[in-house]
Amino acid sequence: GESVGLHLPTLSVQEGDNSIINCAYSNSASDYFIWYKQESGKGPQFIIDIRSNMDKRQGQRVTVLLNKTVKHLSLQIAATQPGDSAVYFCAENGDYKLSFGAGTTVTVRA
Amino acid sequence: NAGVTQTPKFQVLKTGQSMTLQCAQDMNHNSMYWYRQDPGMGLRLIYYSASEGTTDKGEVPNGYNVSRLNKREFSLRLESAAPSQTSVYFCASVGQVDTIYFGEGSWLTVV
Repeated sequence: GESVGLHLPTLSVQEGDNSIINCAYSNSASDYFIWYKQESGKGPQFIIDIRSNMDKRQGQRVTVLLNKTVKHLSLQIAATQPGDSAVYFCAENGDYKLSFGAGTTVTVRA
Repeated sequence: NAGVTQTPKFQVLKTGQSMTLQCAQDMNHNSMYWYRQDPGMGLRLIYYSASEGTTDKGEVPNGYNVSRLNKREFSLRLESAAPSQTSVYFCASVGQVDTIYFGEGSWLTVV
């Protein structure tokens, strides 16, 4: 079936560096994608979203890039901070069903 | 503004027992969801409700039932709990422009 997945389960980043988290999706009909952050013991929190009519969208310290040709989504975090340590999920939203990847655990080194 | 509220936060059940997870949202959202999250896996959709009075199966509905009591509340019931249902359960509701809000989670252990 269709799926949304992340490339790497873990990512270790030096504080102050930029982080890039990648995600691949297989449903070419998907038109809306979301990145979530989940801290230990808490529910997922919305970070940023992008629709398929866009290639790039920027938020505060975060940028999402969408490459529809290769069905790839990425989340870039600028100047990574200790508070960015969490599990990051990409998700595809279609027909009232939100499908999640397995998540990438980001650890920020001091 | 409480957002999405789930209860209980923690629960231990014996195999075969039943229980209901409660979820309520105060944002006047139409759509609500129940997910489960297991180690090393993403959130998997159990059931969803696109609007008051309607419910539909998600990816992993077996062993669960749901009730959309009114626009605010969407409950998840385990009729006969099994160890395979040990998981963290998240309720969510969908707002405008597809923004999804999650509850804080319910940790369920079935022994």
